[in-house]
Amino acid sequence: EAGVAQSPRYKIIEKRQSVAFWCNPISGHATLYWYQQILGQGPKLLIQFQNNGVVDDSQLPKDRFSAERLKGVDSTLKIQPAKLEDSAVYLCASSSLRWALVQNEQFFGPGTRLTVL
Amino acid sequence: DAKTTQPPSMDCAEGRAANLPCNHSTISGNEYVYWYRQIHSQGPQYIIHGLKNNETNEMASLIITEDRKSSTLILPHATLRDTAVYYCIVKGATNKLIFGTGTLLAVQP
Repeated sequence: EAGVAQSPRYKIIEKRQSVAFWCNPISGHATLYWYQQILGQGPKLLIQFQNNGVVDDSQLPKDRFSAERLKGVDSTLKIQPAKLEDSAVYLCASSSLRWALVQNEQFFGPGTRLTVL
Repeated sequence: DAKTTQPPSMDCAEGRAANLPCNHSTISGNEYVYWYRQIHSQGPQYIIHGLKNNETNEMASLIITEDRKSSTLILPHATLRDTAVYYCIVKGATNKLIFGTGTLLAVQP
């Protein structure tokens, strides 16, 4: 079974530029998550989708961050414009609806490391 | 969701058992204890979870005290590949995982 795919793996941009990250979850997984992980900290949930609907985006800085999940499969996370403090690893995770209810096992991708100069 | 307290780092000799403690003194009756780990440059990986009873799977054992205020993750025979940050998470009805800073386990040869 293929895992969660993310691209790009690394991105370097200057502040005030825009950037987008892509995530392809495990086939059949209805729930998709985006996390931000700043160096030395644990991952922080930014947004959670159930199919193509948003379940939780309470921690998403909506003035600059946006995310969508068209057709309930792939997802993109965008930052526009980027700030220095957005430098972090952006992780995508997915889980099947059944596992989400039973044990909430989330499967994580390798992440995208963003550096904002 | 209840907060957890873990030591920032621990060492363990290869082949020995690694016992990682976690305090969650404010846990409530319907909250589960989850453990994830994150190997360097990878995303977190689910290990095990439990409510009241001790649990064991192919990766680890989870021991939860009777009052549920603390737990211990046990890796029975640690290898160098077990070097990682281990996160203890208490998850309630929100179905949200809230990660702390975890314990960096260094397995020494």
